[in-house]
Amino acid sequence: SAVISQKPSRDICQRGTSLTIQCQVDSQVTMMFWYRQQPGQSLTLIATANQGSEATYESGFVIDKFPISRPNLTFSTLTVSNMSPEDSSIYLCSALDRMNTEAFFGQGTRLTVV
Amino acid sequence: GENVEQHPSTLSVQEGDSAVIKCTYSDSASNYFPWYKQELGKRPQLIIDIRSNVGEKKDQRIAVTLNKTAKHFSLHITETQPEDSAVYFCAAGYSTLTFGKGTMLLVSP
Repeated sequence: SAVISQKPSRDICQRGTSLTIQCQVDSQVTMMFWYRQQPGQSLTLIATANQGSEATYESGFVIDKFPISRPNLTFSTLTVSNMSPEDSSIYLCSALDRMNTEAFFGQGTRLTVV
Repeated sequence: GENVEQHPSTLSVQEGDSAVIKCTYSDSASNYFPWYKQELGKRPQLIIDIRSNVGEKKDQRIAVTLNKTAKHFSLHITETQPEDSAVYFCAAGYSTLTFGKGTMLLVSP
């Protein structure tokens, strides 16, 4: 299966600032996604990153807070804007392989907002 | 949208016993049902999946069953080993996945 490289792996940020997380896949994939996982909790889908168009956001998530880019079939970024301590979480990039047979994950970004 | 319920939230077994985790889903349009294993501090790893045209799938000690009529699917792990200890997530969907809340499996030697 394809490999996802996600960076940074962790960061500590000041409230009010923004952080951009990058996700690079080593092969072309059909769909890319961004999830949030609070410690000890399940994965919550933030949005589907659409190539060349605006991301599709899930209920409770908005573009102004979580702008997403996907300029090509192998790369996407998620920005967490105007951060507050409530944004402290693990953010995970995910992708569906070209056969749409497997959804796999990046290693995650552990974000702490102070 | 899809709603996935997963039980139990924690499961403790002795090494060599079997473990069963069950999930139900709400959206009859869902056709893809993967299971992920997540060890502490690591990314979720796909361990097995099943699609709606198959009722059962097995891979060595791991098997998944699907009942589309009842909208439930289960993960079965036989001959459990301590290294099976982790959090297991079920998921359901077709283009996007909705995850269950997870089951923490502890296998004691």
